[in-house]
Amino acid sequence: RKEVEQDPGPFNVPEGATVAFNCTYSNSASQSFFWYRQDCRKEPKLLMSVYSSGNEDGRFTAQLNRASQYISLLIRDSKLSDSATYLCVALVYGNKLVFGAGTILRVKS
Amino acid sequence: DAGVIQSPRHEVTEMGQEVTLRCKPISGHNSLFWYRQTMMRGLELLIYFNNNVPIDDSGMPEDRFSAKMPNASFSTLKIQPSEPRDSAVYFCASSLGLEDTDTQYFGPGTRLTVL
Repeated sequence: RKEVEQDPGPFNVPEGATVAFNCTYSNSASQSFFWYRQDCRKEPKLLMSVYSSGNEDGRFTAQLNRASQYISLLIRDSKLSDSATYLCVALVYGNKLVFGAGTILRVKS
Repeated sequence: DAGVIQSPRHEVTEMGQEVTLRCKPISGHNSLFWYRQTMMRGLELLIYFNNNVPIDDSGMPEDRFSAKMPNASFSTLKIQPSEPRDSAVYFCASSLGLEDTDTQYFGPGTRLTVL
């Protein structure tokens, strides 16, 4: 079983839609969690950190449920520019990141 | 400000040849990470350094792979001899340190093709 698992998608949504991605992790020792965004043939970039209390950054909301070992990302009012691969990431120790395989999002007009 | 710099951006080589990938971390960053990304296995951590010292190389696939960080501004990842299954995108990332809050910034990657 992979340490971080995600639905690979693709999620095909129209502009303006709300879309949610889920991710599960198996290592209960994981300390911190993040969502990274990766555009086609580009490097991954940090989108946001994920906290138990939930955090919001504009149209993006991330949530962590430690009891269920579950992480989510909600994108509201999707834009064409949101099309990318979203990587769920767990920090195990010493800033060692474990990446999920990624979820592909395609926003269409 | 310059981000993480990697060279070359693309490398095509033949099986059996030595390949050297280079990375310059962001100035002032003390930690450096090498990752490999393939369609089959996703993004995997190969090795990371802190203050030029290798901390964890458990992700290095085999003895054909080696990495060095001779100083704070330069690191290399070497594959000798290269094999077709080494074809992948190799990313270098750097961070201020190893705290949870130290964001890793990725370079643009080196796309390696081994024929």
